[in-house]
Amino acid sequence: NAGVTQTPKFRILKIGQSMTLQCAQDMNHNYMYWYRQDPGMGLKLIYYSVGAGITDKGEVPNGYNVSRSTTEDFPLRLELAAPSQTSVYFCASSPTSSYNSPLHFGNGTRLTVT
Amino acid sequence: QKEVEQNSGPLSVPEGAIASLNCTYSDRVSQSFFWYRQYSGKSPELIMSIYSNGDKEDGRFTAQLNKASQYVSLLIRDSQPSDSATYLCAGGGSQGNLIFGKGTKLSVKP
Repeated sequence: NAGVTQTPKFRILKIGQSMTLQCAQDMNHNYMYWYRQDPGMGLKLIYYSVGAGITDKGEVPNGYNVSRSTTEDFPLRLELAAPSQTSVYFCASSPTSSYNSPLHFGNGTRLTVT
Repeated sequence: QKEVEQNSGPLSVPEGAIASLNCTYSDRVSQSFFWYRQYSGKSPELIMSIYSNGDKEDGRFTAQLNKASQYVSLLIRDSQPSDSATYLCAGGGSQGNLIFGKGTKLSVKP
């Protein structure tokens, strides 16, 4: 049971660089999410998707982009990395809305921008 | 008032005691609530959900929801050192997403 798989686990970026955080799930969940977690803080929703081809902004979408071409994959793109994007990023999925079903989280990606 | 508020702790209890974790929420948060547990350096995992006013019990865990006072709590009976973690309270937001509190760090001392 792979569940939700995130890659990479760690990454250091220089200011202005770009990268894509990968997320894949094998549970056939329709809903997928990207959260960031800063030290001592809760999770903030960046983007979410309710199905292939459908994405929407969360609380903190600025500086990020997503796509959902398949049910399984939901990559997060950082175009011009800034120090404020230093955080731990979690991808999650759920079979229905997060109101009604638990979120299944990946192991996270720890990103540092210097 | 922030949408979901928790005391960041740390909350320290002796082994075997009852740990009480509290969370308050604003009018912008809906009536479905969740408690996630997060061990240091790990991802969150769901331990309790509660949708109706009152208590819900699952093993050593009891979630309590009081809509009139806008608070939700989590009681952990017979606390164990393995319960030491950060507990995140979350409620449904207006965008159809979950809004998380900052979390309460619990330490259970042997």
